[in-house]
Amino acid sequence: EVQLVESGGGLVQPGRSLKLSCAASGFTFSNYYMAWVRQAPKKGLEWVATISTSGSRTYYPDSVKGRFTISRDNAKSSLYLQMNSLKSEDTATYYCARTLLGALDYWGQGVMVTVSS
Amino acid sequence: DIQMTQSPASLSASLEEIVTITCQASQDIGNWLAWYQQKPGKSPQLLIYGATSLADGVPSRFSGSRSGTQYSLKISRLQVEDIGIYYCQQASSAPYTFGAGTKLELK
Repeated sequence: EVQLVESGGGLVQPGRSLKLSCAASGFTFSNYYMAWVRQAPKKGLEWVATISTSGSRTYYPDSVKGRFTISRDNAKSSLYLQMNSLKSEDTATYYCARTLLGALDYWGQGVMVTVSS
Repeated sequence: DIQMTQSPASLSASLEEIVTITCQASQDIGNWLAWYQQKPGKSPQLLIYGATSLADGVPSRFSGSRSGTQYSLKISRLQVEDIGIYYCQQASSAPYTFGAGTKLELK
């Protein structure tokens, strides 16, 4: 059974940093592109980052480029999202997701990040 | 960036009714289109990928189609468990944008 379990969320002050983790199991992690998607309270979905199987290629929207870094450790079947210079508009539930042919076929349960002073 | 214009924003339908939700892409995305369902308090679930392919475990009453740059999700006979918010997403080129969502309610 495919499982994705996020951790590392919480309350953080504006301008500070936070690192999210996603533990994957039930599939060969190194064979799949992985992604992070977020959802602000009562809002729609926003794609945040994607990483290739080896980690050599990463993709971001302008809203987080230069502040967020996606990475992975295939030996540990883990995905990460380092978030720096956090803003109030980064407040959201962050989902880890597996990518299949561009679509996001499995999602974690999500982890809440609140940016507030 | 590719814009995905999803309609309607909300929809009220009766049980067993046929429901159609559409997404218009601002440029050619080929078949790089996915549909998701999100139930209250839950993570999104993949329904359709490649514009027309049904994801594993998804009931056959769901189907996807494409006409040029317009994409549709059809629910052939609405069931109670289909209530939720539906999103389209283009996977053609980054940033991989989502539609704004369609809230489906029971009439």
